[in-house]
Amino acid sequence: DGGITQSPKYLFRKEGQNVTLSCEQNLNHDAMYWYRQDPGQGLRLIYYSQIVNDFQKGDIAEGYSVSREKKESFPLTVTSAQKNPTAFYLCASTGQGGYNEQFFGPGTRLTVL
Amino acid sequence: DQQVKQNSPSLSVQEGRISILNCDYTNSMFDYFLWYKKYPAEGPTFLISISSIKDKNEDGRFTVFLNKSAKHLSLHIVPSQPGDSAVYFCAVHFGNQFYFGTGTSLTVIP
Repeated sequence: DGGITQSPKYLFRKEGQNVTLSCEQNLNHDAMYWYRQDPGQGLRLIYYSQIVNDFQKGDIAEGYSVSREKKESFPLTVTSAQKNPTAFYLCASTGQGGYNEQFFGPGTRLTVL
Repeated sequence: DQQVKQNSPSLSVQEGRISILNCDYTNSMFDYFLWYKKYPAEGPTFLISISSIKDKNEDGRFTVFLNKSAKHLSLHIVPSQPGDSAVYFCAVHFGNQFYFGTGTSLTVIP
């Protein structure tokens, strides 16, 4: 089955700790994205990557970092510099060329205690 | 500044009736629009899309209408079913990014 997996589903961390959220896709998509969802604010773009070893900041990149060493994987690190990290994080991917819909993973709920 | 706006945070509809969800956008250059459905604690799933060369696209119970002069699109669900209860996001694919609205929570009352 092709799709996007995110792990874990729920994650708890103490304030001041860095944490890395996993995102893997087997859709052979070139582009991958990280969004954050907060109540009443829709989906806000954190980072995106169009190709391996290249990525760009989205609207709310401060306090986050990413890597894209493999086409299938786009992990997101929430650093201690992120002021309000508790949120629902969504990973997505899309094919290249023309117009395409985004496919989303199931999300990771991060709670910082 | 919000590029895509959904001004109704919530909508309630009786089962069997029509649900109409609305979305406004700011940039007349946008030319590909999408609707997503999202259940709590899950990722959004793609519903239907439309390009600016069309003004209507239909898929089963779901129809999307695009009014380019008003920079407005709407999603019609007919007939509405209780399983349609979810948050609906409109989105725009422009360049390398997707821009999402804030969502409308639809409740279909049995």
